[in-house]
Amino acid sequence: GAVVSQHPSWVICKSGTSVKIECRSLDFQATTMFWYRQFPKQSLMLMATSNEGSKATYEQGVEKDKFLINHASLTLSTLTVTSAHPEDSSFYICSASEGGSYNEQFFGPGTRLTVL
Amino acid sequence: GENVEQHPSTLSVQEGDSAVIKCTYSDSASNYFPWYKQELGKGPQLIIDIRSNVGEKKDQRIAVTLNKTAKHFSLHITETQPEDSAVYFCAASIEYSWGKLQFGAGTQVVVTP
Repeated sequence: GAVVSQHPSWVICKSGTSVKIECRSLDFQATTMFWYRQFPKQSLMLMATSNEGSKATYEQGVEKDKFLINHASLTLSTLTVTSAHPEDSSFYICSASEGGSYNEQFFGPGTRLTVL
Repeated sequence: GENVEQHPSTLSVQEGDSAVIKCTYSDSASNYFPWYKQELGKGPQLIIDIRSNVGEKKDQRIAVTLNKTAKHFSLHITETQPEDSAVYFCAASIEYSWGKLQFGAGTQVVVTP
């Protein structure tokens, strides 16, 4: 159980284009989903927290107009990187939690974004 | 906010030996401490976790200990195997904070045959 999928697993795009990444909880209802960014040889940096049906809460320094997050259902959250630039190239990872007092987060396999 | 420090940053062990990774946290309200294993190019995988109402938890070759007074927790891997080679992250979370995790910097573990 507790499987989280991400799609695509990798994407290459041109500078200025937008890219959408999907995160799905396959066998449980994810009240809360998290989006992280990870640069090579670094730890996970939380970008935003999203609860189903409400607006995402972004961490300090993360541009909400650039990283659009939608959590429309209990099993799906999307991250759209708008007007991507080379500095947005990174490994994006989502995680999902059933919420409440249970803090377990289950992570997706990640999406490697390369912006040319 | 919470700050989690993790040591060492790299750890090389001989196959069959034990590996220990230590983390400290700053916020005494933290009460959930998971450990994740991340292999190259993959997402983190939860390997063990502990809540503040227990001091130790074990799952086969993996154990975690928690000292709430000193605000530190440790991961112990016994009888290490080459497949244990990966980056390990500790994290801390406060209950009812939507499960928001603060991660340590990670430890690269290399198990040599």
